[in-house]
Amino acid sequence: GAGVSQTPSNKVTEKGKYVELRCDPISGHTALYWYRQSLGQGPEFLIYFQGTGAADDSGLPNDRFFAVRPEGSVSTLKIQRTERGDSAVYLCASSLSVAGEQFFGPGTRLTVL
Amino acid sequence: EDKVVQSPLSLVVHEGDTVTLNCSYEVTNFRSLLWYKQEKKAPTFLFMLTSSGIEKKSGRLSSILDKKELFSILNITATQTGDSAVYLCAVELQGAQKLVFGQGTRLTINP
Repeated sequence: GAGVSQTPSNKVTEKGKYVELRCDPISGHTALYWYRQSLGQGPEFLIYFQGTGAADDSGLPNDRFFAVRPEGSVSTLKIQRTERGDSAVYLCASSLSVAGEQFFGPGTRLTVL
Repeated sequence: EDKVVQSPLSLVVHEGDTVTLNCSYEVTNFRSLLWYKQEKKAPTFLFMLTSSGIEKKSGRLSSILDKKELFSILNITATQTGDSAVYLCAVELQGAQKLVFGQGTRLTINP
């Protein structure tokens, strides 16, 4: 079956602009996670959804970052007033239930010029 | 602060060699330890370990967890060029559905 998909695969933007990154989880997976991976580092947790609600957003670096999952399926990560330090690969993962194996998408590479 | 440390950060070996990758952790509330392989972008799941001393095996790959000494190893025998990747270790925390990752080990297998 289809895995986790993310769009766009690459996004180049200018400092100060607003961006939206989309994640389509595996059908039926109730849990959805966002991670950020900088070059040469492991992924860092940003936010976790159980259904429509953000169960844990402790990893969001500041209030420029926001994520939604209005219907409990697709999620959008929104970054306002982008900064060069936001450049990274943003990974999305989903799992069938809490504490289940997390399946990762291919990521969106964000470059802020 | 929850921390996962992998070593070595980088390893270059010849095809056919055996490699051992290390992962140590210091976390507040351990639930499980996971290994992932990352070739391009998406990490792909290898193993989940929850109990000490029980080896998980899949083909040429195997892994074991030591909960007393707080570490895990990933072994790859008879390495092939297709094993070249970044190997990520992550710890899942009890009561918090998120993974804390190490920096990864970049493994390069030369023919």
